[in-house]
Amino acid sequence: DAGVIQSPRHEVTEMGQEVTLRCKPISGHNSLFWYRQTMMRGLELLIYFNNNVPIDDSGMPEDRFSAKMPNASFSTLKIQPSEPRDSAVYFCASSFVGWGDQPQHFGDGTRLSIL
Amino acid sequence: GQQLNQSPQSMFIQEGEDVSMNCTSSSIFNTWLWYKQDPGEGPVLLIALYKAGELTSNGRLTAQFGITRKDSFLNISASIPSDVGIYFCAGQTRSNFGNEKLTFGTGTRLTIIP
Repeated sequence: DAGVIQSPRHEVTEMGQEVTLRCKPISGHNSLFWYRQTMMRGLELLIYFNNNVPIDDSGMPEDRFSAKMPNASFSTLKIQPSEPRDSAVYFCASSFVGWGDQPQHFGDGTRLSIL
Repeated sequence: GQQLNQSPQSMFIQEGEDVSMNCTSSSIFNTWLWYKQDPGEGPVLLIALYKAGELTSNGRLTAQFGITRKDSFLNISASIPSDVGIYFCAGQTRSNFGNEKLTFGTGTRLTIIP
């Protein structure tokens, strides 16, 4: 079974550039989560969607960050403009919430470096 | 963001030894999960606990959901080299929309000394 697929796996870009991270959740899952992992702050939830609708974006650091889920099989996390402090590993996770809840399953992440 | 208190932060053990780690929280959770993360990969689910007091095993791994719903432990018996990695606990709550939110522990880094 295909797991959560993220792309790119690595991204190196200069400060000020726009960065777009992509995620394909597990087929049949109805919830999608974006996390950021750093040494200082650990794993932090940025935003999550249920049935393609953003439910809670209170973890999004600032207006430079935005996330969309145009359909059940695709989501993006965009940073514009990017800053060096945005450097981190960004994870996408998906799960099924409803009859027979399933735990969250994670992708392998995108390692983002902003120079 | 909020994090769970996980201990120890790191462990250095010899192959074959047993391992124990735990998480505590000031908040009650409905579910406790344990994940393992290898370098360059995402967290992988090891064990899920759904009821207070529940004790669950998965091979050499055993985890318990604390009776107060504010803590959980994970034990690994007879450690092997592939057990090396970072272990995270996660507490799960339900939002008003029925979605689960995970709060992660700070992680326990397990190293096996040759």
